[in-house]
Amino acid sequence: DIQMTQSPSSLSASVGDRVTITCRASQSISNYVNWYQHKPGKAPDLLIYGASTLQSGVPSRFRGSGSGTDFTLTISSLQPEDFATYYCQQSYSTPIYTFGQGTKLEIK
Amino acid sequence: QLQLQESGPGLVKPSETLSLTCTVSGDSISNDNYYWGWIRQPPGKGLEWIASIHYSGSTYYNPSLESRVTVSVDTSKNEFSLKLSSVTVADTAVYYCARRAVISKMHIVTTVFDYWGQGTLVTVSS
Repeated sequence: DIQMTQSPSSLSASVGDRVTITCRASQSISNYVNWYQHKPGKAPDLLIYGASTLQSGVPSRFRGSGSGTDFTLTISSLQPEDFATYYCQQSYSTPIYTFGQGTKLEIK
Repeated sequence: QLQLQESGPGLVKPSETLSLTCTVSGDSISNDNYYWGWIRQPPGKGLEWIASIHYSGSTYYNPSLESRVTVSVDTSKNEFSLKLSSVTVADTAVYYCARRAVISKMHIVTTVFDYWGQGTLVTVSS
């Protein structure tokens, strides 16, 4: 199984801050990483696929990068609507998938 | 706009079978391009992929759950279902259904879960 390890598990930040969330795969997975945003009581939203490509409609302040085993999600200037939990997910071993354990982004 | 909606009992007794249905609206579940999946989130934990199914009946299961999981599709009702047998308290979770799509764009070909339901909480308790 490919394990996805996210860090930190939680993060406090202020509006306007730049934040970075990391995700490490247990083996090399090329660029087969997707990122999702999840707000309580709502359906998760796809933010980024292929490690760095923004899903249609996602603001440009979101940026994904990385390849191999190490990946990052960066939000350049936090907006109030960005406070949520973020998950990475590997699609390298499709049709079998694994997610990271999530990073909860909270308002400082 | 595609919408997915989970339904089923919110309380299941230990050792019994959890049964959920996902109703799809806004597109045909028989679209050859998609698989349909189940994903869950136990309280305080991350997301766990459970299974995926194609309208043709092709299925894939999480190896850690495979012995207890069955997924099926009903094209006449445009819905798909999940059954998880011999449940324990560890199966308490919010269960989501989602559409799995293949994205092929420029140099990227990958799979994503691009539409999700809002989730339904299933509690396993006597």
